[in-house]
Amino acid sequence: GQNIDQPTEMTATEGAIVQINCTYQTSGFNGLFWYQQHAGEAPTFLSYNVLDGLEEKGRFSSFLSRSKGYSYLLLKELQMKDSASYLCAVRDSNYQLIWGAGTKLIIKP
Amino acid sequence: IAGITQAPTSQILAAGRRMTLRCTQDMRHNAMYWYRQDLGLGLRLIHYSNTAGTTGKGEVPDGYSVSRANTDDFPLTLASAVPSQTSVYFCASSEFGEAGNEQFFGPGTRLTVL
Repeated sequence: GQNIDQPTEMTATEGAIVQINCTYQTSGFNGLFWYQQHAGEAPTFLSYNVLDGLEEKGRFSSFLSRSKGYSYLLLKELQMKDSASYLCAVRDSNYQLIWGAGTKLIIKP
Repeated sequence: IAGITQAPTSQILAAGRRMTLRCTQDMRHNAMYWYRQDLGLGLRLIHYSNTAGTTGKGEVPDGYSVSRANTDDFPLTLASAVPSQTSVYFCASSEFGEAGNEQFFGPGTRLTVL
């Protein structure tokens, strides 16, 4: 079967760094996406990885290891507005996205 | 407008009633998707369309149907609603064919079936 695992909830302090992990087992792999979803809103795209390594975009970075079926999203200099759920999704061999349940990130002052 | 719109924003529906959720995009994307999102579960694909005139079944298609008569519109119909279809429904679109193409989401429809 296909499976995406990520922690249910994490707590971090404003100004700190947090790493959200995602492990996956899917039928085929055509890239991994991270989305941000604020409560009551739609998911919005953050990052895409298809090759091993780190992709950096401002305060956010995403890492992929295809051999380990593993990715992480790194958020630096946390701000209160970063309080949201972070969704990991893998594009499978049918080019469909398989989604994790999301990690709710709580930022404390 | 730019992006994806969905209607209605929310709806309370009696079990057994028929309901159509509307989705329109103006980005000329060829692929469109319907997901449901339930607490504790990831987004689950209901139906998708890679191009106008074609549709496919996703992970949880039972009880739902779709049509794709043109590029812009992708309505989702519940023929006879049941309480287990209470959920938040998101429509999304993307370019199809490039693995890195992100999906853009509409604001969602919150549906309650009593």
